[in-house]
Amino acid sequence: NAGVMQNPRHLVRRRGQEARLRCSPMKGHSHVYWYRQLPEEGLKFMVYLQKENIIDESGMPKERFSAEFPKEGPSILRIQQVVRGDSAAYFCASSPSLTDTQYFGPGTRLTVL
Amino acid sequence: LAKTTQPISMDSYEGQEVNITCSHNNIATNDYITWYQQFPSQGPRFIIQGYKTKVTNEVASLFIPADRKSSTLSLPRVSLSDTAVYYCLVGEAGNQGGKLIFGQGTELSVKP
Repeated sequence: NAGVMQNPRHLVRRRGQEARLRCSPMKGHSHVYWYRQLPEEGLKFMVYLQKENIIDESGMPKERFSAEFPKEGPSILRIQQVVRGDSAAYFCASSPSLTDTQYFGPGTRLTVL
Repeated sequence: LAKTTQPISMDSYEGQEVNITCSHNNIATNDYITWYQQFPSQGPRFIIQGYKTKVTNEVASLFIPADRKSSTLSLPRVSLSDTAVYYCLVGEAGNQGGKLIFGQGTELSVKP
């Protein structure tokens, strides 16, 4: 049973471009969570999604950031018009239910030039 | 929301037992205590979760006193590969409404 998959593992963008980060949860998991880890900092919750629904986006910046988890396909975290401050590691986690353990993917390291 | 306090860093040597204590004075009745491990450039990995007394698995033990205001993660006979950051989290069912609230963690350095 494959773990949580994220791609790309590394992404380089220039200021003003768009970044799309993908997360495929573990098989049988319908709950997806995105976290961001800035350099030398701990992980911060961004958004929690359940198939086709955003449950909690309280940790996500109001502008330029959006997330989706369609009925088919991976969850996507989209960052429009990236700025240098968006450079970070973005981790996705999944779980089969709200009360189950969250399993993390390897992360996507975004670098904004 | 329950807040956790852990030592920022700890040093140990191979073969020793390491105990990392976490304070959570405001833990709520329904909260569980969960520990994650994170290696550099990797996502956090679940280690252990408990509610009270003692929990043991193949990786670690978790000791929780009766008042539940603190907990201790015990790693038996550490090796160099146990060098990582260890996070203590509290929340209902291990999270808080789906959110894992990470503190700064404890950076464990295991030396030969």
